[in-house]
Amino acid sequence: LAKTTQPISMDSYEGQEVNITCSHNNIATNDYITWYQQFPSQGPRFIIQGYKTKVTNEVASLFIPADRKSSTLSLPRVSLSDTAVYYCLVGDRTGGGADGLTFGKGTHLIIQP
Amino acid sequence: KAGVTQTPRYLIKTRGQQVTLSCSPISGHRSVSWYQQTPGQGLQFLFEYFSETQRNKGNFPGRFSGRQFSNSRSEMNVSTLELGDSALYLCASSWGTGSGGYTFGSGTRLTVV
Repeated sequence: LAKTTQPISMDSYEGQEVNITCSHNNIATNDYITWYQQFPSQGPRFIIQGYKTKVTNEVASLFIPADRKSSTLSLPRVSLSDTAVYYCLVGDRTGGGADGLTFGKGTHLIIQP
Repeated sequence: KAGVTQTPRYLIKTRGQQVTLSCSPISGHRSVSWYQQTPGQGLQFLFEYFSETQRNKGNFPGRFSGRQFSNSRSEMNVSTLELGDSALYLCASSWGTGSGGYTFGSGTRLTVV
């Protein structure tokens, strides 16, 4: 599975747009990019998945450039409840592969009032 | 619809004992995966079951085992518990057909003393 690199932590304020970038230089042709969110003492929650260009749902947008070597998760107008760890995964459409989902360290996003 | 249910939520065991954790997947999901989460190692894949068969396995010792029943419910067993087995154990279910993300349960917090 392609390795991913993302910032360890980020800070922002309520009402701001937050962009978290993930690098995946070795992404394979068939790989999808999937983002999960995790709150303390809870399981990760699927946020969004994409293959190329832009994907948008009710909670986030995912921007993927043409070379697909990186992706950016965009959270519009964040609130305190968006404080969580965000994981970027690369793999099949489940987000994983034969070795299951490979979670890196994730990005700890802290939203302040 | 009901989510992924894990029982019990909390468990305290003594070194050397064994423990069994249970997971009920989302109705219709045929794949159940197990993950271990610790502060030091993060989220690590244990194994995946699909239609009562272990399909993939992570890099954990043989003390960690699991099974899946005909109704897709799964159990995970850890024998001869060690202090280092203290962790949040997460179960995730999916359709298992290579599409769609995983849905995680809230986990079982195991403490070994």
